Amino acid sequence: SQTIHQWPATLVQPVGSPLSLECTVEGTSNPNLYWYRQAAGRGLQLLFYSVGIGQISSEVPQNLSASRPQDRQFILSSKKLLLSDSGFYLCAWSVGAGHNEQFFGPGTRLTVL
Amino acid sequence: QKEVEQNSGPLSVPEGAIASLNCTYSDRGSQSFFWYRQYSGKSPELIMFIYSNGDKEDGRFTAQLNKASQYVSLLIRDSQPSDSATYLCAVNTGGFKTIFGAGTRLFVKA
Repeated sequence: SQTIHQWPATLVQPVGSPLSLECTVEGTSNPNLYWYRQAAGRGLQLLFYSVGIGQISSEVPQNLSASRPQDRQFILSSKKLLLSDSGFYLCAWSVGAGHNEQFFGPGTRLTVL
Repeated sequence: QKEVEQNSGPLSVPEGAIASLNCTYSDRGSQSFFWYRQYSGKSPELIMFIYSNGDKEDGRFTAQLNKASQYVSLLIRDSQPSDSATYLCAVNTGGFKTIFGAGTRLFVKA
C-alpha cells in the first residue's frame, strides 16, 4: 500500500530564515506530487505540483520554491520566510492523468515569528 | 476565477440523524468531485468521490451530483460523534488542478 511522509511535523522559524520541508511517497511509481498551504479557517491553496522528476508547475507567485530531485521526493523551500508564510503545509500524491484522486500526507505546521 | 463554495457552518445534528452537506462549483467543465474529511489539526482524508450524475453510496455515506445545477452533496446517515469534523468539497476540472472549498464544520451531538 502507498504511504506518504512529511517532516518535520511542526516548525517555528523567525522571519527571514530559510525553510526546507520534505515529502516522500512509498509504494507507488511516478506519482503526481502537490504542495498545498492551508491558512487557519481557510481552504487549501495549491502552491506547486509536479508530474515527474525535475518538473515543477507553480500556481502562486511568492517567495517559495519547490524541487523534485527524485521520483518520490518533493521539497518545498524558501530563502527568507515572511510572517504570511505561516500555515499548515500539506503534500499530496495522485497517479495518472485521470480523475486525479489526491491523498494527503500528515502535514507540517509552520509558525513564522 | 473557478470557485467551490460551501457553507462554513457549523452544522449541528443529533446522533443518529442524517447530516447533509452541500457544495456548489462555478466551472461547468468540472469532471471529478471529491469529499474529504478533516479532523482538527489533521490532514484531509478522502472519503468519497463521484464522477457521474446521480447518487453513489459507500456505507453510511452517499454522494450526490447534479452537473446541470453545478451542485454536489454528501449525506451521512446515522451520524456519530466521531463524524464531527470539517468536510471539504473538492472539484477537478481536468488535468492536475483540484480546487477545494473552505469546508463545512459538522458537529454531531451525543
